[in-house]
Amino acid sequence: AAGVIQSPRHLIKEKRETATLKCYPIPRHDTVYWYQQGPGQDPQFLISFYEKMQSDKGSIPDRFSAQQFSDYHSELNMSSLELGDSALYFCASSRGVAPNEQYFGPGTRLTVT
Amino acid sequence: QKEVEQDPGPLSVPEGAIVSLNCTYSNSAFQYFMWYRQYSRKGPELLMYTYSSGNKEDGRFTAQVDKSSKYISLFIRDSQPSDSATYLCAMSGGSNYKLTFGKGTLLTVNP
Repeated sequence: AAGVIQSPRHLIKEKRETATLKCYPIPRHDTVYWYQQGPGQDPQFLISFYEKMQSDKGSIPDRFSAQQFSDYHSELNMSSLELGDSALYFCASSRGVAPNEQYFGPGTRLTVT
Repeated sequence: QKEVEQDPGPLSVPEGAIVSLNCTYSNSAFQYFMWYRQYSRKGPELLMYTYSSGNKEDGRFTAQVDKSSKYISLFIRDSQPSDSATYLCAMSGGSNYKLTFGKGTLLTVNP
């Protein structure tokens, strides 16, 4: 079965640079969630989109922005990167707003040097 | 205090053992309770979910929710070395659908 696709899988950036992470949900899934997982930490919710509209917002820094496009893929844009932004960034998708059936992608490992 | 508390372990058991993993929570609005399995450097994989209180069984896995005690459990019977991973509990409820995770328990099943 098709899964959530994230790209790139690995990204190395320097401080103050920008990064764009992409997420392609499972076919027919219309809801996307972004989570950040620091080293040894649990995933923290950043933001979610349902039918291309922002549906919920968590602890996402103002330096980050995200959107969902007409084909339901989503992009997380991160500017003025800081060392503390180094983490695994997961995208999850669901059909409708479904807390119980969020399927996660493999993640993008961002390293800021 | 975190909304969801989970003992990070590590937990090491012999193959064939029954494993019990637990989480406690403080937010009464939580209604959906999930267990995810995460292998090293991989995304969390949804194992099971339970709505409200009760038990749910799927093969070797059983999930239990006790809302009165704000306590959830995952039992793994006849544990296998391939079950070695980090197990994360996650919860959701109220007016939003974001998942709130526990810190995860690192499980090793020794052959």
